Amino acid sequence: IAGITQAPTSQILAAGRRMTLRCTQDMRHNAMYWYRQDLGLGLRLIHYSNTAGTTGKGEVPDGYSVSRANTDDFPLTLASAVPSQTSVYFCASSDLGGGKQFFGPGTRLTVL
Amino acid sequence: AQKITQTQPGMFVQEKEAVTLDCTYDTSDPSYGLFWYKQPSSGEMIFLIYQGSYDQQNATEGRYSLNFQKARKSANLVISASQLGDSAMYFCAMRGFNTNAGKSTFGDGTTLTVKP
Repeated sequence: IAGITQAPTSQILAAGRRMTLRCTQDMRHNAMYWYRQDLGLGLRLIHYSNTAGTTGKGEVPDGYSVSRANTDDFPLTLASAVPSQTSVYFCASSDLGGGKQFFGPGTRLTVL
Repeated sequence: AQKITQTQPGMFVQEKEAVTLDCTYDTSDPSYGLFWYKQPSSGEMIFLIYQGSYDQQNATEGRYSLNFQKARKSANLVISASQLGDSAMYFCAMRGFNTNAGKSTFGDGTTLTVKP
């Protein structure tokens, strides 16, 4: 592993189903983030974690939950997916000191 | 709260010329960081440049420079000697270090097209 990996790469999901998007980093960064990017728009922060064991809500947290059991992993769960959650999801990490964020390749999620 | 505004949905530039992409911001934090990212059509997010709010000099990274005007709350990206490979979506972003610590905010982006 080098950098940030996300899984799956893409997924088509029926509305009402539960889905967990996985994110793993190997850079030992304290901070991790989940964003969604809708077509033609910028990234919007869903949830973030400044350090293992802590999480915080971003701009659009409703319908999503996260956990941060260890430094490397930061899964994002959709408890009951809805079509408005169709988007590209990016995971990112950074040093807590505020430097640049390193992004994963993204997960393209379609909810039907 | 914090907000990023990019007022140019699309920009065109001739190859080898310089181009400025505009970004204004608003935040309640006294210290913060400003970033620019590039997103080519392949979709990945590529970090370009970073400016800290207390940095005395404007940041530069190769052909990229950040024109930071704190009083005007602007953080424009200047790309010198544009190349065809610079055609992409460009995002301005910020991260607060105080009340908004951990929260990153992105603008809606500017699509840059470099003409040969």
